[in-house]
Amino acid sequence: DTEVTQTPKHLVMGMTNKKSLKCEQHMGHRAMYWYKQKAKKPPELMFVYSYEKLSINESVPSRFSPECPNSSLLNLHLHALQPEDSALYLCASRGAGGRTGELFFGEGSRLTVL
Amino acid sequence: GENVEQHPSTLSVQEGDSAVIKCTYSDSASNYFPWYKQELGKRPQLIIDIRSNVGEKKDQRIAVTLNKTAKHFSLHITETQPEDSAVYFCAASSGTYKYIFGTGTRLKVLA
Repeated sequence: DTEVTQTPKHLVMGMTNKKSLKCEQHMGHRAMYWYKQKAKKPPELMFVYSYEKLSINESVPSRFSPECPNSSLLNLHLHALQPEDSALYLCASRGAGGRTGELFFGEGSRLTVL
Repeated sequence: GENVEQHPSTLSVQEGDSAVIKCTYSDSASNYFPWYKQELGKRPQLIIDIRSNVGEKKDQRIAVTLNKTAKHFSLHITETQPEDSAVYFCAASSGTYKYIFGTGTRLKVLA
C-alpha cells in the first residue's frame, strides 16, 4: 500500500464553523506533513510531524490546529477560517530518519471558506 | 533564506520534441533534488530524483542533471507526448524535513 488517503475530498465551510481534515497512511512512514496549495502555486509547508511529535510549524495561524493521534493518522482542525484560507490542503508522508527521500502526497482536500 | 528558482514558468513544445526545465537552489547543504509532476486536480507525484553524489540520472524518456558547483539542476524530457502535459515542480532538501519547492513550470505538449 503506497497511498496517502485524505478525507473529505471537498469541504465548504463558513467562517464560524469548526471542521477537520483527515489523513491516513499505512506505509510505516513516521514523518507526516500538511501543505497548503493555492491555484498555480507550489505546495506551501504548514506543519511536519516526526514520530508523532510536531517538528515544524511554519508560523501558521492558530486557526489551523494539527494533531497526530498515532503513527498512521494526521488531522488538521479548522476553526474561524478566512476566505483567503480557501485552497487545496495536501497531506504527505515519508520515512523519518536516515536519508531524505520521496514525499508521498495524498489527493488533497479542497477547502472553500465562505 | 532558502530558495529554489525555476524556469520557465510555462513551456509549449510540439509532440516528439524535447523539453528542459531548469532550477537553481541557494542552500549549499541541499543534497536531495526531486521532481514532481502534478496533473490538473491531481496530487503531485515523484517522477525522478537525484542525490548530490550523482551528476546525472535517467529513467526512460526522463533525465535529471545536477551541477553542484553552480547549484543548478535540470529536468529533460525527450520525445514528449500529450500525456506529459502537466505542472512540474522541482524541489531541494538538505536532509531536514523541509523540501523547498520551485515555483512550477506548466508544460503543454501540442499534438
